[in-house]
Amino acid sequence: GEDVEQSLFLSVREGDSSVINCTYTDSSSTYLYWYKQEPGAGLQLLTYIFSNMDMKQDQRLTVLLNKKDKHLSLRIADTQTGDSAIYFCAESKTRSGNTGKLIFGQGTTLQVKP
Amino acid sequence: NAGVTQTPKFRVLKTGQSMTLLCAQDMNHEYMYWYRQDPGMGLRLIHYSVGEGTTAKGEVPDGYNVSRLKKQNFLLGLESAAPSQTSVYFCASSSRPLVDKNIQYFGAGTRLSVL
Repeated sequence: GEDVEQSLFLSVREGDSSVINCTYTDSSSTYLYWYKQEPGAGLQLLTYIFSNMDMKQDQRLTVLLNKKDKHLSLRIADTQTGDSAIYFCAESKTRSGNTGKLIFGQGTTLQVKP
Repeated sequence: NAGVTQTPKFRVLKTGQSMTLLCAQDMNHEYMYWYRQDPGMGLRLIHYSVGEGTTAKGEVPDGYNVSRLKKQNFLLGLESAAPSQTSVYFCASSSRPLVDKNIQYFGAGTRLSVL
């Protein structure tokens, strides 16, 4: 199957860490992504991880990949009010003849309280 | 710095009317996609194109048609709009999957209401 599942809502206090979780079903996925959508805007790529990696860090963002459990997480350190948005997990399968399609989760709404 | 541009940004239609949504990209991308976004359902692929003159169906193609006459443009048509097509529509583009990690770049969206 090609399902990507996320919890729908997360609320944190400003300054705390946020952890957004995602599970996927297809072990042949080659890249996994986190996109951010601010209110009234399109999706913006935050970060991505190749399937042969376990972790990727980029400033306040840490991505962890557990291939055995097909679990992906995004940790945002020192969460700010400007981080309030919807976060989408997505997977891609880059095989020969692949169409480049991404499978998206439902999105997690992150609410950051001052 | 245009990237992916969608027009119009907002539209209200009556049931049965037709319209075309335009997507234009200036990144010389081969692949283009149309998605719809509905609350709690993430993004669902409507149609996509892997090159000029080619189109293919995605997950939810019924009620929509597309055309890719020029590499930089991807048009989404609604021939007879229905209230179930009320949604936010996003266009995206990407290089060939093995070239740029299959990263898709999105437009700002078109908010469509069908009454």
